[in-house]
Amino acid sequence: GQNIDQPTEMTATEGAIVQINCTYQTSGFNGLFWYQQHAGEAPTFLSYNVLDGLEEKGRFSSFLSRSKGYSYLLLKELQMKDSASYLCALGARGNNRLAFGKGNQVVVIP
Amino acid sequence: DVKVTQSSRYLVKRTGEKVFLECVQDMDHENMFWYRQDPGLGLRLIYFSYDVKMKEKGDIPEGYSVSREKKERFSLILESASTNQTSMYLCASSSRTSGFLGEQYFGPGTRLTVT
Repeated sequence: GQNIDQPTEMTATEGAIVQINCTYQTSGFNGLFWYQQHAGEAPTFLSYNVLDGLEEKGRFSSFLSRSKGYSYLLLKELQMKDSASYLCALGARGNNRLAFGKGNQVVVIP
Repeated sequence: DVKVTQSSRYLVKRTGEKVFLECVQDMDHENMFWYRQDPGLGLRLIYFSYDVKMKEKGDIPEGYSVSREKKERFSLILESASTNQTSMYLCASSSRTSGFLGEQYFGPGTRLTVT
């Protein structure tokens, strides 16, 4: 089985850096995804980690430690449009499905 | 660009009605998924399919069925709609790359209200 834990909400100031954590337990790891979801819209893919370490993509970076069952998404130079829910999703070995966390709502204030 | 479309953005149905939600993707993806999303519960997988005519139960299949007669189309059926099936329904698709999961692409969602 799989279990994913994310904090529910955080507030940050425009221009700041925010780190969104995700801890997980799984019987067979096959990749960790981060998605962004604006209110009333569908989730969109942000990043994918399958090996330990940091993946950087512009203002967004994602880190994975498989031994600790831990990932984070780092958002730099926050913009108002970054106000959204950020979903951590875990792939399981042996099938093509993802298990999603409940999401972390980030509110960016001026 | 991958495009996943869903037949309706908003739908209102009565209790007991049979409801069909349609999803079409244009990228020749093998895998297709149906989720529902509710406040405080996140995205929950109802059913998925990894090939034509193949289907697998997700975490909450009760009260739902699915159909995949063509590769690009995956339908979700509510046999007899109930008020607890009021929710946002999201369809997604992904490619099956050997050994690794492909990212999932989501449709815009259907907000279903059952009265």
